[in-house]
Amino acid sequence: DQQVKQNSPSLSVQEGRISILNCDYTNSMFDYFLWYKKYPAEGPTFLISISSIKDKNEDGRFTVFLNKSAKHLSLHIVPSQPGDSAVYFCAASVKTSYDKVIFGPGTSLSVIP
Amino acid sequence: GAGVSQSPSNKVTEKGKDVELRCDPISGHTALYWYRQSLGQGLEFLIYFQGNSAPDKSGLPSDRFSAERTGGSVSTLTIQRTQQEDSAVYLCASSFTAIGELFFGEGSRLTVL
Repeated sequence: DQQVKQNSPSLSVQEGRISILNCDYTNSMFDYFLWYKKYPAEGPTFLISISSIKDKNEDGRFTVFLNKSAKHLSLHIVPSQPGDSAVYFCAASVKTSYDKVIFGPGTSLSVIP
Repeated sequence: GAGVSQSPSNKVTEKGKDVELRCDPISGHTALYWYRQSLGQGLEFLIYFQGNSAPDKSGLPSDRFSAERTGGSVSTLTIQRTQQEDSAVYLCASSFTAIGELFFGEGSRLTVL
């Protein structure tokens, strides 16, 4: 049973436009969410996180939105750049109980110049 | 080095052989994870060590898989009697606390012939 879902395996966006990557989760106990970016042949790197007490967190071109009632979060990248082309993983954990971090299957983003 | 170090970076083995994969986490990090990524798949959780607590082994796919973490630092993932379906990139990650950002190594690519 997949607790963290990313239903779009891939996404193509024109350079300069907004990229929106979506993530859904099933475990209502999750209270901490993270996004990671992965280039080929490299380990994933942390991008941005959000705690369940917030509904938005912004860091430069990256913004994560959390809708707890819908158990949905999204990552917005604006403007998108070719260097953003990578696989993006959504992850979640129950921070308050030090539980393990569970990752979604990833979405491959291609930003077309 | 300052990052998570994994070895070997590449391992080719014959079906039925045992393999050991090593992870050297960032110094002082109390949490250590093993994930694996099979071709075209997401990050599959394998095992999680947090301080002196008993490890969470709930993600290990079979009893051929085991892991240990000695002295709260270096971890070894052992796969006995390897099968072709064990072929994947095995990623190690560590975190200062169980609830913080995970720092990943570059992975160990295992190919079972």
